[in-house]
Amino acid sequence: DQQVKQNSPSLSVQEGRISILNCDYTNSMFDYFLWYKKYPAEGPTFLISISSIKDKNEDGRFTVFLNKSAKHLSLHIVPSQPGDSAVYFCAATDGGATNKLIFGTGTLLAVQP
Amino acid sequence: DTAVSQTPKYLVTQMGNDKSIKCEQNLGHDTMYWYKQDSKKFLKIMFSYNNKELIINETVPNRFSPKSPDKAHLNLHINSLELGDSAVYFCASNRGTSGGEQFFGPGTRLTVL
Repeated sequence: DQQVKQNSPSLSVQEGRISILNCDYTNSMFDYFLWYKKYPAEGPTFLISISSIKDKNEDGRFTVFLNKSAKHLSLHIVPSQPGDSAVYFCAATDGGATNKLIFGTGTLLAVQP
Repeated sequence: DTAVSQTPKYLVTQMGNDKSIKCEQNLGHDTMYWYKQDSKKFLKIMFSYNNKELIINETVPNRFSPKSPDKAHLNLHINSLELGDSAVYFCASNRGTSGGEQFFGPGTRLTVL
């Protein structure tokens, strides 16, 4: 039972264009969502997060949108750069006593120069 | 300064052996985690300790035993290693259990032959 899903295993985008990575979840108790970026042979690195009381959070070139009614969030990267090429993981937590993160399976983003 | 460090980075061993992976964080965080990333790249929580107390114990074989000598360290000991234990193991830490991002170590790639 996968509670967090990233249905696109990979995405290819031209440098300078917008990258849109999508994530769907099934557990309505999730109230905090995070995006992590992972390069090969490294650990995931936190990118941006959003609380369920918001529908948008922006940090530089990165914006996360949350649609609670659709149980959907997306990460927008504008403009995309070759250094953004990595695997992006969506994660969610229900803010319970443990802050346990439930991860999606990741999307491999390739930004072409 | 490395925030979350793991040793070793690579571990190759035979079936049936017992091995340990060490994790240390210098962030002053109270909570530490172990995640397993399997061959399908799925990142899944295994254990979590908060101030040396076990707070998450997912459905993991009891051959896996976490140990937290102090809140800056969380080690993972695995007995009677099996082929299916081959994976990348990530340690992470968080300042508490009430939310916020987790900081990940670089991972330990375990290969059981």
